[in-house]
Amino acid sequence: ETGVTQSPTHLIKTRGQQVTLRCSSQSGHNTVSWYQQALGQGPQFIFQYYREEENGRGNFPPRFSGLQFPNYSSELNVNALELDDSALYLCASSGGQKVNEQFFGPGTRLTVL
Amino acid sequence: DQQVKQNSPSLSVQEGRISILNCDYTNSMFDYFLWYKKYPAEGPTFLISISSIKDKNEDGRFTVFLNKSAKHLSLHIVPSQPGDSAVYFCAADYMGRRALTFGSGTRLQVQP
Repeated sequence: ETGVTQSPTHLIKTRGQQVTLRCSSQSGHNTVSWYQQALGQGPQFIFQYYREEENGRGNFPPRFSGLQFPNYSSELNVNALELDDSALYLCASSGGQKVNEQFFGPGTRLTVL
Repeated sequence: DQQVKQNSPSLSVQEGRISILNCDYTNSMFDYFLWYKKYPAEGPTFLISISSIKDKNEDGRFTVFLNKSAKHLSLHIVPSQPGDSAVYFCAADYMGRRALTFGSGTRLQVQP
C-alpha cells in the first residue's frame, strides 16, 4: 500500500505567477484535502475534494482552486501568487476503513519572492 | 479567531517520565479530536483520536483525555522516549467533514 505522495518537494516562484501542486492519494482513499501551513503555525484547511467534486472550503480566496481526477489524485492551483502564500502545502487523503483518519503527504514547500 | 489552541509552544521532559500536552477548543460543534506528530521535512502522522462520546482513549503509550465541559483535551505519553521528540498538533473536526482545524503545535523535546 503506497502512502500519500506530493510533488514537487520545493518550489520558488515570484509574486504574480501561478503554481500547480500535485498529490497522489493513498490507495483506496477517495477524498483529498489540502492544507496550508505557514511558519510556526498549524495547518489551515484550504478545501477538500470527494469523487472529483469540491466538498468543502476553508477561508481562502478563489485564486486557490483545485481538481481531483478519476484516480483520486489531486492538484492545487494558486493564481496571482502573493508573498504571504509562502508556506508548506500539505495534502491529506482519507476514505479507507478508518474514515475519520487523514493521512498526510510530506508537503510541498512554496517560496514566493 | 483560533478555535483550537495549544498554549504551550514547547515542552521538555526527561526520558522515562510522563509528557502531557494540552489543547483547548472553543467551537462546541467539534465532535472528533485527533493528535498528530510531525517530524521536520515530513507530513503530520496520525497518533490517536477520540470521539466526543468518550472521555478517554488509550493506544499503547499514548492516552488522550477529553473534558467536554472545559473544552479541553490532553495527550499523555508514558513513558516518554527520545524518539517522541517532535511537534505535536491537536486537531478537531465535526460531523465527519474531515476538514480539520489545527492548533499551532507544541514542540516536545525528550532528554535522554
